Amino acid sequence: RKEVEQDPGPFNVPEGATVAFNCTYSNSASQSFFWYRQDCRKEPKLLMSVYSSGNEDGRFTAQLNRASQYISLLIRDSKLSDSATYLCVAGYDTGRRALTFGSGTRLQVQP
Amino acid sequence: DAGITQSPRYKITETGRQVTLMCHQTWSHSYMFWYRQDLGHGLRLIYYSAAADITDKGEVPDGYVVSRSKTENFPLTLESATRSQTSVYFCASSEGAGEKLFFGSGTQLSVL
Repeated sequence: RKEVEQDPGPFNVPEGATVAFNCTYSNSASQSFFWYRQDCRKEPKLLMSVYSSGNEDGRFTAQLNRASQYISLLIRDSKLSDSATYLCVAGYDTGRRALTFGSGTRLQVQP
Repeated sequence: DAGITQSPRYKITETGRQVTLMCHQTWSHSYMFWYRQDLGHGLRLIYYSAAADITDKGEVPDGYVVSRSKTENFPLTLESATRSQTSVYFCASSEGAGEKLFFGSGTQLSVL
């Protein structure tokens, strides 16, 4: 079983739609969580950190459920420019496994 | 703001040759990482370093060597390149373990 699992997609949605991705992690000791965005084999870029109380950044909302060990990302009012692969990341403060990446969920926003 | 830079951007080499990929960061981050990314595997950790002169293996270290004599540099060497090492290589850094990573632009390596 992978430490961080994501549905690979693709999720094909029309512009303006709301889309949600979930991600599960297996290590209950994980302490930090992030969502990264990656465009077509370019470097991953931090989209947002995920906090226990949930957090929002514009059209993006992230939630953490420690009891069920999953993280979610909600994108409202999807734009064409949101088309990318979204990587879920779980981490804790020991070096070798400091950050573990999921394989990513691909989003394609269509006009 | 240079951040983290990798070189070269593209590299073609032949089986058996030694190749070194360079990574330089200007933030004085303690941690640096090397990942490879292949279709179907996502990002896989090759090696990481917690500080100068401290390095450790990740998930897929075989065939790779790293060094970190200075905080800002973390080169990755393929001692004898194989075709299975054809991949996109990303260097990254963070202030501490488990903290957010910042990635370089990547090196696309082809081993013929």
